[in-house]
Amino acid sequence: IVLTQSPATLSLSPGERATLSCRASQSVRSDLDWYQQKPGQAPRLLIHGASDRATGIPARFSGSGSGTDFTLTISSLEPEDFAVYYCQHRGNWPWTFGQGTKVEIK
Amino acid sequence: EVQLVESGGGLVQPGGSLRLSCAASGFIFSSYWMSWVRQAPGKELEWVANIRQDGSEVQYADSVKGRFTVSRDNGKNSLYLQMNSLRAEDTAVYYCARGSSGIWGQGTKVTVSS
Repeated sequence: IVLTQSPATLSLSPGERATLSCRASQSVRSDLDWYQQKPGQAPRLLIHGASDRATGIPARFSGSGSGTDFTLTISSLEPEDFAVYYCQHRGNWPWTFGQGTKVEIK
Repeated sequence: EVQLVESGGGLVQPGGSLRLSCAASGFIFSSYWMSWVRQAPGKELEWVANIRQDGSEVQYADSVKGRFTVSRDNGKNSLYLQMNSLRAEDTAVYYCARGSSGIWGQGTKVTVSS
């Protein structure tokens, strides 16, 4: 299963809303997670099961979708949210990641 | 505190071997699937391997099948990745993860180069 993320780069200002897309080449039901990664750090799980926030994740992060189309929304960007975001499916093996969306400061 | 600590990375020549280890603490290791995930420099993440709680089932990415072997020792709370016939494209940071639960180690760097 190929996951295609768009856009590749999102240039926004703090306080703005970020909408990231992930499209699967075939249905993954709701077996889709979102990760945030900052330089030199391990990925951090944000959303699991397409829409459930992981423990300790702020409410400004939300996920939606099922089947083949998924969205990660950051309602109001904080300075610490500028990072790379990956979607990842955990349906049929092999599990795969998207190529990532970089959210950068405009 | 739940923690995963990888070790064993380093520089190895093409065709060589390396064994990575992951020490787990703060949770019941034998209750979880465990995984290895890697990230080549400047590239996206790649899920490399999974292993069932008792080691009876393993899964590998096509890119490593036949060359890498994942194993675990529940008595030592440890996960391993034996990497043979290493190639330049195996150069990456290798992360140990507690299945898909979001618990990851900080990674160990593997460089395959002559």
